[in-house]
Amino acid sequence: DVVLTQSPLSLPVTLGQPASISCRSSQSLVHSDGNTHFNWFQQRPGQSPRRLFYKASNRDSGVPDRFSASGSGTDFTLQISRVEAEDVGVYYCMQATHWPHTFGQGTKLEI
Amino acid sequence: EVQLVESGGGLVQPGGSLRLFCAASGFTFSNYWMSWLRRAPGKGLEWVATIKEDGSEEYYVDSVKGRFTISRDNARNSLHLQMNSLRAEDTAVYYCVRNGQNWGQGTLVMVSS
Repeated sequence: DVVLTQSPLSLPVTLGQPASISCRSSQSLVHSDGNTHFNWFQQRPGQSPRRLFYKASNRDSGVPDRFSASGSGTDFTLQISRVEAEDVGVYYCMQATHWPHTFGQGTKLEI
Repeated sequence: EVQLVESGGGLVQPGGSLRLFCAASGFTFSNYWMSWLRRAPGKGLEWVATIKEDGSEEYYVDSVKGRFTISRDNARNSLHLQMNSLRAEDTAVYYCVRNGQNWGQGTLVMVSS
């Protein structure tokens, strides 16, 4: 199975400051169809998860542009340019290139 | 608007069974792969199972293979998860998910004696 390793697992931040989360895969996430089926999710307290990015760097509708995502192959990054209070929650990376689909451990972002 | 509404969760004893339902609306259900994912208390998200648009392919995480069965009824826009031989470690909130983009509110499954 593909192992996704997120860092850090805990991310204390100051409002208005940037934040960055890394996700490293145990194998390439480039699919035979040429796409990289890699996603970032946010789960706020008490809410269902919400997808932020798909195919490594494509922002979902409604996601603020202070969020950005990059990466390819085995190394991926989620960045927040200026953290706001509503960004508190747990962030997960997830790969859907290989079966079984797998998630990173989650990064808890707190103010 | 895409809506996914889960039901069927509850308290069950170890070794018991439950059947989860997901009612889908706001999109052409038969055009999408659908999945069940879960989050156990104090743990992270876990993908459980996925079914192809026409039901011809199913995929499962190893820990549920042989115990859980994902199915769908495209005529009724519904997704199901039959869970047998339930274990304490299956305790979680189960989510119905379309393409990773749309999630239901979740239904809680508790396996305990």
